[in-house]
Amino acid sequence: GESVGLHLPTLSVQEGDNSIINCAYSNSASDYFIWYKQESGKGPQFIIDIRSNMDKRQGQRVTVLLNKTVKHLSLQIAATQPGDSAVYFCAANFGNEKLTFGTGTRLTIIP
Amino acid sequence: DAGVIQSPRHEVTEMGQEVTLRCKPISGHNSLFWYRQTMMRGLELLIYFNNNVPIDDSGMPEDRFSAKMPNASFSTLKIQPSEPRDSAVYFCASSLRDSQETQYFGPGTRLLVL
Repeated sequence: GESVGLHLPTLSVQEGDNSIINCAYSNSASDYFIWYKQESGKGPQFIIDIRSNMDKRQGQRVTVLLNKTVKHLSLQIAATQPGDSAVYFCAANFGNEKLTFGTGTRLTIIP
Repeated sequence: DAGVIQSPRHEVTEMGQEVTLRCKPISGHNSLFWYRQTMMRGLELLIYFNNNVPIDDSGMPEDRFSAKMPNASFSTLKIQPSEPRDSAVYFCASSLRDSQETQYFGPGTRLLVL
């Protein structure tokens, strides 16, 4: 079946350093991928997305990399700040509007 | 835009009672999604609508759960009768079907069934 999974449930990074959160998916037919950030007590917040015809996309301090060969997705956050502490979810669209979410990585920024 | 609006934000009820969760999607969005989030199961899609029509309700746990979307600006998720295992955070999300499939989430309703 379709699945999306994150490699690490938790990640701690020193403030100012870069962080990388990884995600794997199972369905090679996936054509759309999204990263969400969820802070405590709030709903998931859209960060950045990427389509399968791209391998890299950049936003403000964030970069998403897509490796379709190994079905791997990563989110890079540059110069992390305390406000980056949250749970990060990757999600994949398997050809329809439904998104399948990974289990989430809790990122903690150490001051 | 105010974003997706959900009410109530918190609900505490007793087992057997009816619970109704409400959602107002972002204006102009054609698709609406109901999710449930728990520690054990993560974020699960319950049902989604497109142009007010239910498209996929395969995630609805059982007959105690029902959802409606009477118009483009309002949807409800009802649990009757509620059970303690229904305790979770319920999120509503909406998206523009004709653009990228980005879904924008509301703040959620935290439900506790005693």
